[in-house]
This record gives sequence, structure tokens and C-alpha cells, in this order.
Amino acid sequence: GAVVSQHPSRVICKSGTSVKIECRSLDFQATTMFWYRQFPKQSLMLMATSNEGSKATYEQGVEKDKFLINHASLTLSTLTVTSAHPEDSSFYICSASGTGGANKNIQYFGAGTRLSVL
Amino acid sequence: RKEVEQDPGPFNVPEGATVAFNCTYSNSASQSFFWYRQDCRKEPKLLMSVYSSGNEDGRFTAQLNRASQYISLLIRDSKLSDSATYLCVVWDTGNQFYFGTGTSLTVIP
Repeated sequence: GAVVSQHPSRVICKSGTSVKIECRSLDFQATTMFWYRQFPKQSLMLMATSNEGSKATYEQGVEKDKFLINHASLTLSTLTVTSAHPEDSSFYICSASGTGGANKNIQYFGAGTRLSVL
Repeated sequence: RKEVEQDPGPFNVPEGATVAFNCTYSNSASQSFFWYRQDCRKEPKLLMSVYSSGNEDGRFTAQLNRASQYISLLIRDSKLSDSATYLCVVWDTGNQFYFGTGTSLTVIP
């Protein structure tokens, strides 16, 4: 299957700092990337959908000014958690969906970023 | 009503047992269906796509019933390593993916 790389895998930061998470599709072009958040023992929650070259579509209740998403190319999307607070501590996972062929309509996930805000 | 609904379980089964999960979806126009597996504190990984005619991959069999709008996953001869959360995913028109809440499976020695 296709490979999605997510970096960093673990972040510990002080309250008030901003954290940037990168998501790259390594061997396919991703027209659409998704950002999820998962709290312990809970299901994945979609935060936003980003399409290359356009603004992200945020789910209800997700603050777009707090969670900045940039999808500048077909292989890279970034999520920036601005002014992080302890309640933002969570497991953030990206996924990418291919443009066509065998990868079309299939989501491939990055390994996730575990964010801890002190 | 949720787009995708799954029985959260947990399912606790002995090694070697056969276990089946169902998942229902609300949009009859949904086009693609998948089962993912998620281990604790890890990302979901694609287990198998679900095709209209049903498909099998080793001990795993997936079925789609469009008339009743559900998909199923059957695991035969359960192994300890099958313990995980199984997520049902439906791809809709308009490039929307919908996840079930996941079904927790624990295979007991």
C-alpha cells in the first residue's frame, strides 16, 4: 500500500507555544488529506479536510484559527496547533487519499503525533 | 442519525473462534467500503476493501449488502494477534469518508 509519513511522532511543549505537524504522501499524489484527533479510548474525530491549493474545510466545533491547515502541494499538508493548551493534548493523525488508480478512495494514515501540552 | 454505525463491543472470544462484525450506513449512494484495524495507540491500517461480490483474504471475509445497507467482517480461527479495534469506513460521493466508532475485539488464550 501507499506510504504516508507524519512528523514528529511525539511532541511535549509548554502551554502557549505553537506546534507544527507535517503529513507527507511519499509514493503517491494526494488530492485530499484529512486531519483527525483521537482522545484516549475514543474514536477518531475528523477535524478538517484539506484539498491541495484550497482552503481546508473544518468540521463543526473545530476552530480554524487555532488549527491552521496548509496543503501547499499534492504531497504535503501541515497542521499547526497555535497557542497550545493542555486540553489540546491528544493523538493527531493525518491521512491521505490518492488521485486515482489503486489509491483512489482509500485513506492511508500517518503514524500519528502524540501531543502533550504541559 | 449517524452516517455509519457499529456495535462498539467489546467482543471477547477464545482463540480459534469465529467472530463477525456488522456495520450499517445511512446513505444509499455510498460508493466504497473498507475495514480498518487500529491497535492501541497506533494509527488505523487498511485491512481490506469491501467489494460488491464479497471478498476474502485468508481468514478474513468481507461482505456488502447494498439492499440492507450494511457491511460485515468475518474472522475465522481467531488469533491472539487479531485483538484490536476494527473500524468500518464508508466513502461517500463528494469525497467524504465516514468512520464507525469501531468494534473492540479481544482474543483470549
